[in-house]
Amino acid sequence: DTGVSQDPRHKITKRGQNVTFRCDPISEHNRLYWYRQTLGQGPEFLTYFQNEAQLEKSRLLSDRFSAERPKGSFSTLEIQRTEQGDSAMYLCASTPDLSYNEQFFGPGTRLTVL
Amino acid sequence: DAKTTQPPSMDCAEGRAANLPCNHSTISGNEYVYWYRQIHSQGPQYIIHGLKNNETNEMASPIITEDRKSSTLILPHATLRDTAVYYCIVRVVHQAGTALIFGKGTTLSVSS
Repeated sequence: DTGVSQDPRHKITKRGQNVTFRCDPISEHNRLYWYRQTLGQGPEFLTYFQNEAQLEKSRLLSDRFSAERPKGSFSTLEIQRTEQGDSAMYLCASTPDLSYNEQFFGPGTRLTVL
Repeated sequence: DAKTTQPPSMDCAEGRAANLPCNHSTISGNEYVYWYRQIHSQGPQYIIHGLKNNETNEMASPIITEDRKSSTLILPHATLRDTAVYYCIVRVVHQAGTALIFGKGTTLSVSS
């Protein structure tokens, strides 16, 4: 399968713990996006990268959240000191470049904070 | 905030056409209408986008009104596998690489 992959698919953690998610975009896709989706809502933008540079962060990305894409390939999203309100589906998407219309989404990581 | 308004849910019989409306009354002249869908437990999937009524593919056809303030995505022969949440998004095409702004979408339920 050459689509966007995310790992893990599910994560259950206790409040206050740190969690890290990984996203592997489609090969040679320069742009990588993170979204968060809570139950009954559409996905909400968190941040995106052009190669290794993080170009934009939304207000949803609090100080407890950090994202990296160190070599311009895979990306990680870390949440420190998780809260119950962080429970959501975290989606990753990629696209070849700025001019491409379609974003290719991964299956998401479902986070449950107890 | 999303620039579109969609009904929260719709039902459709298998084999019939599903017509999914979207209101985007504040759309600008350089904004396109994009459609994505999200099947349960999967990430969103791009369907189609268009400026006026000149786009179609094997999956769906978007019909945009003359004043471009609303549109309808038509699935001509809905199947059970078309059961999903459908999102209508407006955005400037030269900003295609920027983030998508999703609303709540329309949950389409196709039944046999």
